[in-house]
Amino acid sequence: KAGVTQTPRYLIKTRGQQVTLSCSPISGHRSVSWYQQTPGQGLQFLFEYFSETQRNKGNFPGRFSGRQFSNSRSEMNVSTLELGDSALYLCASSLAGTLYGYTFGSGTRLTVV
Amino acid sequence: DQQVKQNSPSLSVQEGRISILNCDYTNSMFDYFLWYKKYPAEGPTFLISISSIKDKNEDGRFTVFLNKSAKHLSLHIVPSQPGDSAVYFCAASGSNTGNQFYFGTGTSLTVIP
Repeated sequence: KAGVTQTPRYLIKTRGQQVTLSCSPISGHRSVSWYQQTPGQGLQFLFEYFSETQRNKGNFPGRFSGRQFSNSRSEMNVSTLELGDSALYLCASSLAGTLYGYTFGSGTRLTVV
Repeated sequence: DQQVKQNSPSLSVQEGRISILNCDYTNSMFDYFLWYKKYPAEGPTFLISISSIKDKNEDGRFTVFLNKSAKHLSLHIVPSQPGDSAVYFCAASGSNTGNQFYFGTGTSLTVIP
């Protein structure tokens, strides 16, 4: 079966711009979580969506937002980009949250200049 | 506050020997733990898990040990192979974490042929 697909793979944006990242989960997976990975910080949880509803949110500013569509595809948006937003953004899908673990996509590498 | 810690950023091991990767956590409510392996330019892939009702779980060359009193888990790889060279993340979740995994900062394992 197809894995978790994230697009685009790479992005370069300028400070102050906004960006939208996309994630298509494994077919049948209804939970989608987003993580930010930066050197030295590991994976930091952004938010989790299940059946189009945000169930959990990490400790990130309101510039970070997301949504999930009826087909479980999810998008993440970052507005007013800052240099510190440069990171690998990972999407993970699961059947129903943490119980069965996650399957991760390959990530979107965002560089803010 | 980092609730899951991997205090060794890197580890080098000779091929055929044992690799031991360590992970400490602070939240006593964590009851489910996973290890992920990550190659460059790829998303993390699930390796092995353990729940708090067990103190050991084995899958082929990989064994995870859990010491709840010490809030410590470790991943043993025996024998280590060059293809095991990757970054390893431990992750934890619990009844009070919602549908969220807390990740460590990762340990980069290099297996020397």
